[in-house]
Amino acid sequence: AQSVAQPEDQVNVAEGNPLTVKCTYSVSGNPYLFWYVQYPNRGLQFLLKYITGDNLVKGSYGFEAEFNKSQTSFHLKKPSALVSDSALYFCAVRDGGYSTLTFGKGTMLLVSP
Amino acid sequence: GAVVSQHPSRVICKSGTSVKIECRSLDFQATTMFWYRQFPKKSLMLMATSNEGSKATYEQGVEKDKFLINHASLTLSTLTVTSAHPEDSSFYICSARDSGIREFFGPGTRLTVL
Repeated sequence: AQSVAQPEDQVNVAEGNPLTVKCTYSVSGNPYLFWYVQYPNRGLQFLLKYITGDNLVKGSYGFEAEFNKSQTSFHLKKPSALVSDSALYFCAVRDGGYSTLTFGKGTMLLVSP
Repeated sequence: GAVVSQHPSRVICKSGTSVKIECRSLDFQATTMFWYRQFPKKSLMLMATSNEGSKATYEQGVEKDKFLINHASLTLSTLTVTSAHPEDSSFYICSARDSGIREFFGPGTRLTVL
């Protein structure tokens, strides 16, 4: 069975500071990893994915994530946070290309001015 | 990027009535569509996987007779909540997958059952 853990319910950061949203995963096969962002009463927007290749993945809106196989982690990062980045962030994993997605519980990111 | 729409975006209904939610892939053919349910401040829980032309596959604990799914074409899947009750109130999100790996999510439907 596959699973995702987002250990933080909420992350608070000041605008202009770097941010990290943590994610660890568990799959039996090859992990396909995703980050999505959700604004209030909206669907999910895709940020980035890791399938294979370079461990550092760059995505939308200046976000990036680093795949660490030994630590089974896929933390989301951004060098300089914006107030508009405040939203709910979900990490998701799929065991291979065609299985179903399993989501973490979500982490609320609050960026203060 | 690919676009997935949902209709309606918001619906309020009386207890005991049925509600149909549509999910459409607007610019690609979706061989597989998924229906998720999201409770307030909670994660997305997969309800069922819908494949065009075949019966949906429901996750454990999801009542298939209550949540009817029809995937009539490569661009349309519908979720019908039958005999809705207040506990069915939730945010329902669909997604669509083409022949590739990525899943494209709809904007969600807020269902409120009075």
